[in-house]
Amino acid sequence: GAVVSQHPSRVICKSGTSVKIECRSLDFQATTMFWYRQFPKQSLMLMATSNEGSKATYEQGVEKDKFLINHASLTLSTLTVTSAHPEDSSFYICSAGRGNYEQYFGPGTRLTVT
Amino acid sequence: GQQLNQSPQSMFIQEGEDVSMNCTSSSIFNTWLWYKQEPGEGPVLLIALYKAGELTSNGRLTAQFGITRKDSFLNISASIPSDVGIYFCAGQLGAGGTSYGKLTFGQGTILTVHP
Repeated sequence: GAVVSQHPSRVICKSGTSVKIECRSLDFQATTMFWYRQFPKQSLMLMATSNEGSKATYEQGVEKDKFLINHASLTLSTLTVTSAHPEDSSFYICSAGRGNYEQYFGPGTRLTVT
Repeated sequence: GQQLNQSPQSMFIQEGEDVSMNCTSSSIFNTWLWYKQEPGEGPVLLIALYKAGELTSNGRLTAQFGITRKDSFLNISASIPSDVGIYFCAGQLGAGGTSYGKLTFGQGTILTVHP
């Protein structure tokens, strides 16, 4: 159990366009999901915490108008990168919380903005 | 904010050797988690520790939650080639407040196992 999926796994988009990434908990319900960003050979950086039915909480320095998060159900959270630019190219990973403490991660989405 | 120092940054070992890595924090965590990440994939949870002093095993992996709640270690015994990857520690404060459930990650330990 505790499987989290992400879609798409890879996406290439042109500068100025928007990209939506989906995160789903497949076999459990997650009231809280988290979105991370990871640069090559670096650790994961938390971008925002997403709670079902309420607004996301963004970490300091993360632009909420650029990274739109929607957590519409207990099994789905989406991250939309709006007006993407090359510097937004990165590996985006979501996680879903189960129980009080455990977080299970999705396989990640590689975003390349040209 | 809280910071985790994970060491070593990288390890090159021969198959069959034991491995040890650790994390230390400037402040207390209520939960410690250890993850493994392979290239192009998300981290996979290996071991979760919930109580100070707790020692938990998962196959060839053993992890401990330090008594001070500011450190944790992970040991891998009799390493095999498929152990290759990046290992991350993560600390969590736990319930309550705006930090509920949020993980603070260490910098990662890159493990290479030579056959």
